[in-house]
Amino acid sequence: DQQVKQNSPSLSVQEGRISILNCDYTNSMFDYFLWYKKYPAEGPTFLISISSIKDKNEDGRFTVFLNKSAKHLSLHIVPSQPGDSAVYFCAATGGTSYGKLTFGQGTILTVHP
Amino acid sequence: SQTIHQWPATLVQPVGSPLSLECTVEGTSNPNLYWYRQAAGRGLQLLFYSVGIGQISSEVPQNLSASRPQDRQFILSSKKLLLSDSGFYLCAGAQSNTGELFFGEGSRLTVL
Repeated sequence: DQQVKQNSPSLSVQEGRISILNCDYTNSMFDYFLWYKKYPAEGPTFLISISSIKDKNEDGRFTVFLNKSAKHLSLHIVPSQPGDSAVYFCAATGGTSYGKLTFGQGTILTVHP
Repeated sequence: SQTIHQWPATLVQPVGSPLSLECTVEGTSNPNLYWYRQAAGRGLQLLFYSVGIGQISSEVPQNLSASRPQDRQFILSSKKLLLSDSGFYLCAGAQSNTGELFFGEGSRLTVL
């Protein structure tokens, strides 16, 4: 049972354009959502997060949007840079069990120069 | 800042041999610690988590075990490896209630 889904295995974007990575979840107990970025043969690194009390969180070129009614979140990267090419994982957690993140399958982002 | 170290980075082992992956934490005390496995098409799967010394919870039934002999040490083990144990294993730690995890560099295990 995949409670967090990233239905696009890959995304290709031109440098300077917007990258939009999508994530859907099914568990209504999830109230905190995170995005991680991962390069090959390295551990994931935290990128940005959003609490369910918000619908938008922005950090530089990265913005995460949350639509609770649709159980959907998205990560926008503007402008996209070649160094953004990596695998992006969406993750969710809920209740008091912090750290027990449920991850999506990941989306491979390729930004072309 | 919190740092997670794990080793070895790569490991090739024959079927039936034992396994020991080690993870240590710097920069914090009494963290929650986690072992994840990255599998193709399935993202990061939580295998074990620990809230303190000697306290281990298993998330999925499997051929692996975990131990936490010290506050900042978390070990992933197996007595007899299976081919299906091959994968990329990640140790992670959490300190705050934000849910944010700090990951180690990962260990690539190949079972032949």
